[in-house]
Amino acid sequence: EAGVAQSPRYKIIEKRQSVAFWCNPISGHATLYWYQQILGQGPKLLIQFQNNGVVDDSQLPKDRFSAERLKGVDSTLKIQPAKLEDSAVYLCASSLDQRGNSPLHFGNGTRLTVT
Amino acid sequence: GQNIDQPTEMTATEGAIVQINCTYQTSGFNGLFWYQQHAGEAPTFLSYNVLDGLEEKGRFSSFLSRSKGYSYLLLKELQMKDSASYLCAVRDLSGGNTGGFKTIFGAGTRLFVKA
Repeated sequence: EAGVAQSPRYKIIEKRQSVAFWCNPISGHATLYWYQQILGQGPKLLIQFQNNGVVDDSQLPKDRFSAERLKGVDSTLKIQPAKLEDSAVYLCASSLDQRGNSPLHFGNGTRLTVT
Repeated sequence: GQNIDQPTEMTATEGAIVQINCTYQTSGFNGLFWYQQHAGEAPTFLSYNVLDGLEEKGRFSSFLSRSKGYSYLLLKELQMKDSASYLCAVRDLSGGNTGGFKTIFGAGTRLFVKA
């Protein structure tokens, strides 16, 4: 099966600019996750979707970050305006369901550098 | 809230056995995962535990004690390619009113395998 697709792989922007990331999950996976991983740390959950509804966005900085999953398939994550501390790898993952033995499958991530 | 603790770093010798511990606190436990992440790559799924006891999969085994909020990953016959970060992740009730389960990660344990 095709894996989780993310684009772009790398992005360099200046602070206060905006940026968007795109994710296409594995076909049939109901749950989609966006994680932020700062170098040397574990992935931090930003937002989790079940189909096109939000399960959790408690750690999403809503003043600058937004995400959507229209039609319950593809998803985009946007940052506007970016800050230096947003430099990180943004990982998208999907799973068959949010419960039980349904492991997360990760995309290759987008490495964002804010200068 | 949720809290996941792992040692930051461990070093072991090729051919040896190493145990990586993880302790967690949750409000509605729904399973525990272990992931492997090589530098610059996305995490990949290793194991899943939801009931107490040991799950064995080749050179890798994972143990869970729900009453103690404790898990460990056991790696046998260590190889140089096992040098990576090992992430403990827990599926827990989301704090929102969706009744859903979110998956959160610990900071990871960096394992160095030396010859």
